[in-house]
Amino acid sequence: GENVEQHPSTLSVQEGDSAVIKCTYSDSASNYFPWYKQELGKRPQLIIDIRSNVGEKKDQRIAVTLNKTAKHFSLHITETQPEDSAVYFCAAKQGADGLTFGKGTHLIIQP
Amino acid sequence: SQTIHQWPATLVQPVGSPLSLECTVEGTSNPNLYWYRQAAGRGLQLLFYSVGIGQISSEVPQNLSASRPQDRQFILSSKKLLLSDSGFYLCAWGMSGYTFGSGTRLTVV
Repeated sequence: GENVEQHPSTLSVQEGDSAVIKCTYSDSASNYFPWYKQELGKRPQLIIDIRSNVGEKKDQRIAVTLNKTAKHFSLHITETQPEDSAVYFCAAKQGADGLTFGKGTHLIIQP
Repeated sequence: SQTIHQWPATLVQPVGSPLSLECTVEGTSNPNLYWYRQAAGRGLQLLFYSVGIGQISSEVPQNLSASRPQDRQFILSSKKLLLSDSGFYLCAWGMSGYTFGSGTRLTVV
């Protein structure tokens, strides 16, 4: 089955700086890669996703890049703000199978 | 619009007691449905998924089971809870990007 590795487990950045979270996946057949944000005690919320036929996707301060050859994808958050503090999860999926999630990154925005 | 309902929000159950968590989806038909578990401070583990009524796929062998008695209803059950069953249980639906329910925080004591 699919295996998703996510790094780092904790990331602390100064407010206004950029944050990058990286994930690798094992199954070359995976073709869908979403990112979720989970605030404490709440449900994960989809923030951006990318499909395997696209190399990069951007939505305001958030962008995701995908390197199919290397089987890795990354989340980039620019101009970080206090409300960006949360746990972020990457995931990979193929067909109707369930999403396989990374273990999460606790992003801390320092004022 | 589509909505997903999950209940109860919080549950404290003794070891050895049964469990039933319910999830329903509105505003769509024949959704793919999923049950995930999140242990404290950990990632999301896929437990079961269903692509149709009566069709259940299990990802992790355990003392939990799932059923889909109706198109938009997904139930997670156990006959006898273990301490290790404690966690945050999330139902989700979708084809690609999932929408999660609000979750059930289960504590087995």
